[in-house]
Amino acid sequence: RKEVEQDPGPFNVPEGATVAFNCTYSNSASQSFFWYRQDCRKEPKLLMSVYSSGNEDGRFTAQLNRASQYISLLIRDSKLSDSATYLCVVVGNFNKFYFGSGTKLNVKP
Amino acid sequence: EAGVVQSPRYKIIEKKQPVAFWCNPISGHNTLYWYLQNLGQGPELLIRYENEEAVDDSQLPKDRFSAERLKGVDSTLKIQPAELGDSAVYLCASSPQRDNEQFFGPGTRLTVL
Repeated sequence: RKEVEQDPGPFNVPEGATVAFNCTYSNSASQSFFWYRQDCRKEPKLLMSVYSSGNEDGRFTAQLNRASQYISLLIRDSKLSDSATYLCVVVGNFNKFYFGSGTKLNVKP
Repeated sequence: EAGVVQSPRYKIIEKKQPVAFWCNPISGHNTLYWYLQNLGQGPELLIRYENEEAVDDSQLPKDRFSAERLKGVDSTLKIQPAELGDSAVYLCASSPQRDNEQFFGPGTRLTVL
């Protein structure tokens, strides 16, 4: 079983829509979680950290559900510029970062 | 502040040839990572350094891959000999501490023919 699993998508949504992605992880002892964004043929960049109490940054909200072992990313009022691949990251044993395969988002005009 | 620098950006070689990638992390970042990313997949860790010490190289195919980080700053990753399946993007990342945000370089896109 993979450490981190994501729906690859693509999620095709119109501008202004709200879209949510989930990411499940297998190691219940994981303590740190992140969402990274990766544009086509570019390097990943940190979007936001995911705290136990949740985290909100403008139109983006990240949540952690330890009981069900998943994290989520909610994007409100989608913009064309939000089109990218969103990578879920879970930090496992020995501070090892595990990246999901990513969820592709296409925001259409 | 300069970001993570990698070179070359692109490399095309024939199979069985050697190849080397270079990474200069952000100044002051003690932790350095080398990742491999295939199309449609997330980055997969090859090796992690804390200063000059390789603390996690469990996923590094040591029969053909080697890495070093002399003086705890720059790092090189080498493949010898390269195989067709090694075609991928090789990403270098650095962080100020081991469980902090990782800053990625632009990557080296390797094509093995």
